[in-house]
Amino acid sequence: DGGITQSPKYLFRKEGQNVTLSCEQNLNHDAMYWYRQDPGQGLRLIYYSQIVNDFQKGDIAEGYSVSREKKESFPLTVTSAQKNPTAFYLCASSQQGSYNSPLHFGNGTRLTVT
Amino acid sequence: SQQGEEDPQALSIQEGENATMNCSYKTSINNLQWYRQNSGRGLVHLILIRSNEREKHSGRLRVTLDTSKKSSSLLITASRAADTASYFCATGNNNDMRFGAGTRLTVKP
Repeated sequence: DGGITQSPKYLFRKEGQNVTLSCEQNLNHDAMYWYRQDPGQGLRLIYYSQIVNDFQKGDIAEGYSVSREKKESFPLTVTSAQKNPTAFYLCASSQQGSYNSPLHFGNGTRLTVT
Repeated sequence: SQQGEEDPQALSIQEGENATMNCSYKTSINNLQWYRQNSGRGLVHLILIRSNEREKHSGRLRVTLDTSKKSSSLLITASRAADTASYFCATGNNNDMRFGAGTRLTVKP
């Protein structure tokens, strides 16, 4: 079955450490996205990529970095510069080139930094 | 921004009743989408309505769009306990999509 896989489901890190969240898709989608969700709130866009080797900042990119070396993969690194990294992180993908294509989401990674 | 805002924030109903959730947004849109999120999981796309459409149906879901009022509603008919989830509206293009804080729906058996 096609879909998006995020791993791990839960991640714990000490403050000051960088951590990388994995996102893999086999939907053959060109576009991929990273969102952050805080309790009781909507999603905020961190980074997105429309094509391999290219990505753009979203609304809250500070303290995060991404890479897009393969179409299937869009890992997110939460750096020590992110002031409040504890959150639920969601990866999504969509068909490129259409304003009307729905987003397909993974099941998220819950990151806790202490 | 084109952020959608859902209303109410929380809704509790009995199984079999209908549930209506509303979404308001601020600027012109190409389309409006509704998503569902079960606790601790990713979002699942439910339905997309284009700006030139006024109503759309999918199974027990009915979505309306009023571009003059910049609002949309999601109606779930004959609700089931399994419909318990958070529901989000999203507006904008894929690279600029904005999600509201959602409506938390609880359907009691």
